[in-house]
Amino acid sequence: DQQVKQNSPSLSVQEGRISILNCDYTNSMFDYFLWYKKYPAEGPTFLISISSIKDKNEDGRFTVFLNKSAKHLSLHIVPSQPGDSAVYFCAASNNAGNMLTFGGGTRLMVKP
Amino acid sequence: ETGVTQSPTHLIKTRGQQVTLRCSSQSGHNTVSWYQQALGQGPQFIFQYYREEENGRGNFPPRFSGLQFPNYSSELNVNALELDDSALYLCASSLMASGIHEQYFGPGTRLTVT
Repeated sequence: DQQVKQNSPSLSVQEGRISILNCDYTNSMFDYFLWYKKYPAEGPTFLISISSIKDKNEDGRFTVFLNKSAKHLSLHIVPSQPGDSAVYFCAASNNAGNMLTFGGGTRLMVKP
Repeated sequence: ETGVTQSPTHLIKTRGQQVTLRCSSQSGHNTVSWYQQALGQGPQFIFQYYREEENGRGNFPPRFSGLQFPNYSSELNVNALELDDSALYLCASSLMASGIHEQYFGPGTRLTVT
């Protein structure tokens, strides 16, 4: 069973507009959530994270929102840039912190 | 600050053979995790090593084994290779400390089993 799901395999956005990437999870034991970006032929790069005690975390153009009751998180990128074009993975961790459970990824394409 | 490095970059093996993949952790980190990423999927946790001991394991058979060395570098060994083992193998390093969940990934080793 997939405990972390990203239901949109791809997303296309115009440069300068907002990109919203979504992620749903089923395991109530998850208490920390992370977003990674992956370019071809590179490993995933850590972007931003959020603890379950918060509902929002912001870092520059990137904001992550967490809705615990809905078991849903989203990553907002504003404004989107062509260099943001990549595959984005959400991941979840429990308080043991030893393993990350990843979603299947969303391919973001930002058009100039 | 040196990031996570992995070797080799690519590898082609035949079914039934054995393979060893290597990883050097980021400076200041004491924990190494290994993930398998099949084409079109997210990374799947294989296991984690901390203080040279396995510290958690995902749903992978015993023919997947590992080591961590005193300098925190690590090896992933896979015996009796199967065609389905073809994937990108990612190593991630982190600091084992309360409240820290972030893991930092290397570029991966692409394994092809024929």
